[in-house]
Amino acid sequence: DGGITQSPKYLFRKEGQNVTLSCEQNLNHDAMYWYRQDPGQGLRLIYYSQIVNDFQKGDIAEGYSVSREKKESFPLTVTSAQKNPTAFYLCAISLRDRPYEQYFGPGTRLTVT
Amino acid sequence: RKEVEQDPGPFNVPEGATVAFNCTYSNSASQSFFWYRQDCRKEPKLLMSVYSSGNEDGRFTAQLNRASQYISLLIRDSKLSDSATYLCVVSVMGGGNKLTFGTGTQLKVEL
Repeated sequence: DGGITQSPKYLFRKEGQNVTLSCEQNLNHDAMYWYRQDPGQGLRLIYYSQIVNDFQKGDIAEGYSVSREKKESFPLTVTSAQKNPTAFYLCAISLRDRPYEQYFGPGTRLTVT
Repeated sequence: RKEVEQDPGPFNVPEGATVAFNCTYSNSASQSFFWYRQDCRKEPKLLMSVYSSGNEDGRFTAQLNRASQYISLLIRDSKLSDSATYLCVVSVMGGGNKLTFGTGTQLKVEL
């Protein structure tokens, strides 16, 4: 089955621990994105990558890190430096020539206590 | 002022009703416009792009007014399955593929 997968669906961590969220796609799309969604707020861009081995910061990159070693994968690490990590994290993809039509994975709900 | 503003609702309408949502954006350099649909605790899904001339997809009609910087979505003959949150989304050319999302308008279609 093709598409975008994110795992796990729910993740619980203790404060002070780093955690890595997975995003995989088999649709051969060039661009990948990470957003977070909080209640009462619109989605906010964390990082994005347009090609392998390259990525750019979004609006709220502090406390996060990413890598793009393969076209299919764009993992997000939430570090202990992120002050409010509890959120719904969404990965998205788009074609290089249609960057504004973005398609989302099912998301990971991260709870840090 | 928020970059993209929407009335959060909820809009409670009976099945079969026509309902319209508006959205305003602040950046006059915005180039592309979209409506996404998000079901409760699920990911957003692209519903339709919004073109300057307006566009229709079945029961859904989207309009863009660049002069007043607002976008609208009209849903005719509402179905129970239309119940969701509708997100207004804009982008700025050259903004690094960045989409700016509104907080969404919640629609509840009732029997």
